[in-house]
Amino acid sequence: GAVVSQHPSWVICKSGTSVKIECRSLDFQATTMFWYRQFPKQSLMLMATSNEGSKATYEQGVEKDKFLINHASLTLSTLTVTSAHPEDSSFYICSARGYRGYNEQFFGPGTRLTVL
Amino acid sequence: AQRVTQPEKLLSVFKGAPVELKCNYSYSGSPELFWYVQYSRQRLQLLLRHISRESIKGFTADLNKGETSFHLKKPFAQEEDSAMYYCAPLGNAGNMLTFGGGTRLMVKP
Repeated sequence: GAVVSQHPSWVICKSGTSVKIECRSLDFQATTMFWYRQFPKQSLMLMATSNEGSKATYEQGVEKDKFLINHASLTLSTLTVTSAHPEDSSFYICSARGYRGYNEQFFGPGTRLTVL
Repeated sequence: AQRVTQPEKLLSVFKGAPVELKCNYSYSGSPELFWYVQYSRQRLQLLLRHISRESIKGFTADLNKGETSFHLKKPFAQEEDSAMYYCAPLGNAGNMLTFGGGTRLMVKP
């Protein structure tokens, strides 16, 4: 089946630093990748949608200058949290959708970001 | 406004009991609907989609357009069904999923 990986699985950083999270589709080409954020005991909230080779589309309330998304290839998208602050601490999950006949998304395992 | 609601945050049943996880949506048109499941310490994965009209792990979900509901049902719950379940309509642009708040199902022995 289709597999999506994320790296790192967890990261701890100091306030003010930037953190990059990678999302890779391992055995299929992802036309579209999605980035979600999940707070403890809450549901997933879509942050942005990215299509390979084009700018990401951000959801309302998500700062595009703070959460930089790059989708440079059909198998890799990156999310960079710039100038991270403690309130950015969360679980970040990516998903990918490939060239299939239906709209199934495949999810990565998530990345736990803790900003001190 | 497009919205999906899962009214129960927690549903606790005994093994062998029937279970129904509710999902109501408020979308224009005819959205495509999915149920995703997240077992403990595992990633989110697709359980079933309404267009397939299939039964996965004994679960079924019927789309009721009149009631705008897509409830997930299983006649006899098993302990291994304990997980978080998310109802997710696909946006009208056919592009992105919106997740309900999720329901934690606990199946007690």
